[in-house]
Amino acid sequence: DAKTTQPTSMDCAEGRAANLPCNHSTISGNEYVYWYRQIHSQGPQYIIHGLKNNETNEMASLIITEDRKSSTLILPHATLRDTAVYYCIVRTSGNTGKLIFGQGTTLQVKP
Amino acid sequence: GAGVSQTPSNKVTEKGKYVELRCDPISGHTALYWYRQSLGQGPEFLIYFQGTGAADDSGLPNDRFFAVRPEGSVSTLKIQRTERGDSAVYLCASSFARNTEAFFGQGTRLTVV
Repeated sequence: DAKTTQPTSMDCAEGRAANLPCNHSTISGNEYVYWYRQIHSQGPQYIIHGLKNNETNEMASLIITEDRKSSTLILPHATLRDTAVYYCIVRTSGNTGKLIFGQGTTLQVKP
Repeated sequence: GAGVSQTPSNKVTEKGKYVELRCDPISGHTALYWYRQSLGQGPEFLIYFQGTGAADDSGLPNDRFFAVRPEGSVSTLKIQRTERGDSAVYLCASSFARNTEAFFGQGTRLTVV
């Protein structure tokens, strides 16, 4: 399974864009990049996923480099409620599609 | 409800006892996953069901852990002879198919005393 590398923690000012990087240099051609976040004491929440094209939804944008070895999750206007642990996951291409979580990035949005 | 439901939300048990944790997935979701999360760590995969069958149980730590999904909907995670090291939040997730987005429940916090 492809591994991901994320910074342990980041800060962001409220109202500014939060850009969360992720490295996945061993990703295979048919593996997707998924992002989840986990707010304290809650289950992980799905944010977005992509294969090679950039993706955008109501929560965030996902930018994947052309070589697919890294990606960036963008929260365009961070709010205090976006404070959470953000997990970048390469979803296995095997028969299960299980999500393998790493340590994630703790994003602290500050007023 | 519309989301994944897990019961109980909290469970305290004595070392050596047997516990069952229940997961009600989103209606129509055929894929179901169990995870375990210790304090300060990311969720750790335990087992995956596709329909009624356990398609991947490679994450179960030992034979004290077992899970079933007899009718392809509700799943029960069973832990025998609980140990203090089993204390964690047990998370359940479901998805429409194995490679679509998975939705998680709020988890069951298990404390073994």
